[in-house]
Amino acid sequence: TQLLEQSPQFLSIQEGENLTVYCNSSSVFSSLQWYRQEPGEGPVLLVTVVTGGEVKKLKRLTFQFGDARKDSSLHITAAQPGDTGLYLCAGGGSGTYKYIFGTGTRLKVLA
Amino acid sequence: DTGVSQDPRHKITKRGQNVTFRCDPISEHNRLYWYRQTLGQGPEFLTYFQNEAQLEKSRLLSDRFSAERPKGSFSTLEIQRTEQGDSAMYLCASGQIRGNTEAFFGQGTRLTVV
Repeated sequence: TQLLEQSPQFLSIQEGENLTVYCNSSSVFSSLQWYRQEPGEGPVLLVTVVTGGEVKKLKRLTFQFGDARKDSSLHITAAQPGDTGLYLCAGGGSGTYKYIFGTGTRLKVLA
Repeated sequence: DTGVSQDPRHKITKRGQNVTFRCDPISEHNRLYWYRQTLGQGPEFLTYFQNEAQLEKSRLLSDRFSAERPKGSFSTLEIQRTEQGDSAMYLCASGQIRGNTEAFFGQGTRLTVV
């Protein structure tokens, strides 16, 4: 069974601080997506990474896919209150079209 | 096209009643997924359609649950004889077979069984 574990589960930081969220698995994924979800809404896709070692940047967010495609990280620079939300990673495996979601990291950025 | 659309957004039902949810995917997306999300958890996979064919079902999808995508466009998810444990957010997502592997989610249907 493919599992994705995210850490930390909860994170409360002050505006302007940097943070990193981790997404780890013992399984290899052909692609990995990061989503942000707000209460009562569906997840919104932030980025997809497909190549081992790939790094993608989205403004203050930096996403990295591990060399072995088993793990990923999301780094936020100078966090803002608007970054508050549930961050989810989701892995897609070869031979299946379904995505396995991580446990989520709930981020709160205080003004 | 404004994205994946789900209806209703909220549903409150009494235990034992049947409910049906609808999902309209992004136009020309041939993949369609249903997920369930409970409070504080990540979404759990329920089922996957490629065009009108239901290709994969999770063990979470008991015999009280049935999903259809009759013409390969919109999809419905029906829950019969609802139980309190069915209370959750039901999410629909769509994507394309070719090209990128991304899945785009709707806003979800929040089900509360009382």
